[in-house]
Amino acid sequence: ETGVTQSPTHLIKTRGQQVTLRCSSQSGHNTVSWYQQALGQGPQFIFQYYREEENGRGNFPPRFSGLQFPNYSSELNVNALELDDSALYLCASSPSGVAGGNTIYFGEGSWLTVV
Amino acid sequence: GNSVTQMEGPVTLSEEAFLTINCTYTATGYPSLFWYVQYPGEGLQLLLKATKADDKGSNKGFEATYRKETTSFHLEKGSVQVSDSAVYFCALSDLWSGGFKTIFGAGTRLFVKA
Repeated sequence: ETGVTQSPTHLIKTRGQQVTLRCSSQSGHNTVSWYQQALGQGPQFIFQYYREEENGRGNFPPRFSGLQFPNYSSELNVNALELDDSALYLCASSPSGVAGGNTIYFGEGSWLTVV
Repeated sequence: GNSVTQMEGPVTLSEEAFLTINCTYTATGYPSLFWYVQYPGEGLQLLLKATKADDKGSNKGFEATYRKETTSFHLEKGSVQVSDSAVYFCALSDLWSGGFKTIFGAGTRLFVKA
């Protein structure tokens, strides 16, 4: 069984640029959520996708956006990068929106540094 | 809204010492509770979970009991090892429109000395 995979693992961007982070869900999982983890902090919920629709969002501005594809893989896009966006971005997948259970499984994360 | 509060770290213990990391929660529904562990440079791994009151989750010598009366889910281990050094996150998952949403505490860093 393939786990959650994310790419790239590390990247450096300049303030004002745009970034796209990618995630492949664990096999059989159709729900994907994204989290931002700043250094020394717990993961903060950005948003969640179920069957290609965003079905919940945390306290993040609209410049954070996402997509989920028919194969349940997902992207996180961040526009107009700010220095405070520097963090570990974690993707997590789970079996189903409701009936499949509520345990989420994380990828290794993408480290974003904004300079 | 829902929230998770866990004890601040770092916690420093000698090998074979007893570990307790406190976690309390606030929730409007009937959440499931989790402990995740994060080793240096890695993502979060599920350590254990409990889905209803009085359930005990256990794994790798760690255990935690879902206490609804005290809204707590404290993590314990009877004898820690150096390899247990990591950051531990308490989390809750509750049902909302479209599925479950998981929120995390701030994490507690554990150092175990040989």
